[in-house]
Amino acid sequence: RKEVEQDPGPFNVPEGATVAFNCTYSNSASQSFFWYRQDCRKEPKLLMSVYSSGNEDGRFTAQLNRASQYISLLIRDSKLSDSATYLCVVTRKGSGAGSYQLTFGKGTKLSVIP
Amino acid sequence: DTGVSQDPRHKITKRGQNVTFRCDPISEHNRLYWYRQTLGQGPEFLTYFQNEAQLEKSRLLSDRFSAERPKGSFSTLEIQRTEQGDSAMYLCASSPSGGITDTQYFGPGTRLTVL
Repeated sequence: RKEVEQDPGPFNVPEGATVAFNCTYSNSASQSFFWYRQDCRKEPKLLMSVYSSGNEDGRFTAQLNRASQYISLLIRDSKLSDSATYLCVVTRKGSGAGSYQLTFGKGTKLSVIP
Repeated sequence: DTGVSQDPRHKITKRGQNVTFRCDPISEHNRLYWYRQTLGQGPEFLTYFQNEAQLEKSRLLSDRFSAERPKGSFSTLEIQRTEQGDSAMYLCASSPSGGITDTQYFGPGTRLTVL
């Protein structure tokens, strides 16, 4: 089983739609959780951290359920500019001092259609 | 721009050649990571430096790969005797020593094509 698994996608949605991405992780020692966004042929960029209490940043809402090892991202009122690949990321401490290894899911591609 | 920079952005080489990539992290970040990303996959961890010390290496980092960070600032990743399977995007990331230490900031990557 892969350490981080995401919906395979792609998701093709019309502008203004609400879209939800799901992610599960297998390592219960995972410490921190993030969603990154990656545009085609560009580097991943941090979208938001994910907390058990849930957190919201404008149209984006992220949620973590540690008991079921499940992470979600909700995008409301989709814009054309939201088209990208969304990567679910978990971290755990590595063996090296101060090392935090990021483990990425394969990503889910979102296309927002006019 | 004070973000992570990488050089070159693109590299095309023939199988069997050696290549070297450079990463300049954000100046106050003492932690530096290398990742590799192939098409359709998320980035995979390769190695980690704290200052000049290489403290962790993935099993993905074969003997043909070597990374250095001689003065604790920029880092280099060298691949010897390249193979077609080495074709990928090589990403560098850095993070600060305090605060939210596991938030990593990525450079634009070096895209390697091995012919």
